[in-house]
Amino acid sequence: KAGVTQTPRYLIKTRGQQVTLSCSPISGHRSVSWYQQTPGQGLQFLFEYFSETQRNKGNFPGRFSGRQFSNSRSEMNVSTLELGDSALYLCASSLDSGRENIQYFGAGTRLSVL
Amino acid sequence: DAKTTQPNSMESNEEEPVHLPCNHSTISGTDYIHWYRQLPSQGPEYVIHGLTSNVNNRMASLAIAEDRKSSTLILHRATLRDAAVYYCILRGGATNKLIFGTGTLLAVQP
Repeated sequence: KAGVTQTPRYLIKTRGQQVTLSCSPISGHRSVSWYQQTPGQGLQFLFEYFSETQRNKGNFPGRFSGRQFSNSRSEMNVSTLELGDSALYLCASSLDSGRENIQYFGAGTRLSVL
Repeated sequence: DAKTTQPNSMESNEEEPVHLPCNHSTISGTDYIHWYRQLPSQGPEYVIHGLTSNVNNRMASLAIAEDRKSSTLILHRATLRDAAVYYCILRGGATNKLIFGTGTLLAVQP
């Protein structure tokens, strides 16, 4: 079974640009969550989608948005990039969003904002 | 969201058991205790989870205190590959979000 796939693996953008990151979950998984990881703040929850609906949202500005498609693939978008958005963005999928469910993480997309 | 407290770092010798502690005094009755680990340059990896009873799997064991206010992740024989940051997470509440703390950086000496 293929794991969680994130594309691209690396990305360099400049301030003010926007970026779209993609996540393909494990086949059959309906829940996709996104996280931001930085050296200063650690791993922070961005949002979770389940069956194309956003279920949970972390404390991030509205510049961060996401969506999920009918095949469970998900994208996240960051508009008007700031230097502080440089981070590793991780996607995780699970069968469901229940508290006992296991999340499987991708390798992440490393975003550098110059 | 209930919080967990873990030591910042621990050291172990290869092939010896490792006990990684976690305190979660504000745990609620329906919160699950999850452990993930993150190896260098990789995404987090699931290790084990439990609710009330001790749990074993091929990677580790999870010992949960009777009052559920603490738990211990046990790696029975540490290998160099087990060097990672280990996160103890409570999953529950209204949202079931995975809220990562700072974790414990485990160093394994040969």
